[in-house]
Amino acid sequence: AQTVTQSQPEMSVQEAETVTLSCTYDTSESNYYLFWYKQPPSRQMILVIRQEAYKQQNATENRFSVNFQKAAKSFSLKISDSQLGDTAMYFCAFRGETSGSRLTFGEGTQLTVNP
Amino acid sequence: NAGVTQTPKFRVLKTGQSMTLLCAQDMNHEYMYWYRQDPGMGLRLIHYSVGEGTTAKGEVPDGYNVSRLKKQNFLLGLESAAPSQTSVYFCASRPTGATGGYTFGSGTRLTVV
Repeated sequence: AQTVTQSQPEMSVQEAETVTLSCTYDTSESNYYLFWYKQPPSRQMILVIRQEAYKQQNATENRFSVNFQKAAKSFSLKISDSQLGDTAMYFCAFRGETSGSRLTFGEGTQLTVNP
Repeated sequence: NAGVTQTPKFRVLKTGQSMTLLCAQDMNHEYMYWYRQDPGMGLRLIHYSVGEGTTAKGEVPDGYNVSRLKKQNFLLGLESAAPSQTSVYFCASRPTGATGGYTFGSGTRLTVV
């Protein structure tokens, strides 16, 4: 079974600064997908970024980028120029190619952006 | 708007009562999922379905049952609610294919007293 671990329950950053959220995972599959989801106080689950394991290039979406280290099974999220609206719970998630394409989530990291 | 709709949004149950949570999607997605979210534990998969008429157990299925009689609906049942089932429940769906993304509902906050 796959496992996803987020070792930082809470983090804070000053507005306009950069912050990195950590995620590690464990799997025996060779093809898989990794995701970062944002959950603001509204509870809505918002996809931030996704990475296909077969792609060596790290995914980027505007101020959000990942550092994907396949051999180390590490998938960190970097948020540049942090904004107050980035305050939310962030979840790392894994999807393999078996078992109904289900997502396995990490425990979550609560990020607070301070003015 | 197209998406995943969860009913109800809030509910308080007494221990031992039963209830059904409804998830409806209008995107013709094959796959549907029920998760529960608890502080410090992320989202954990309860049950899922890979198509109409199919269901399968996830990570934490005990105390729950599901049905997918129609492709667009995925029902989660609690036969005899327990305080340990106090949680926020999320439904999600996705189409087949490697690149299909997940659509989540807005969640149901359930309290069992």
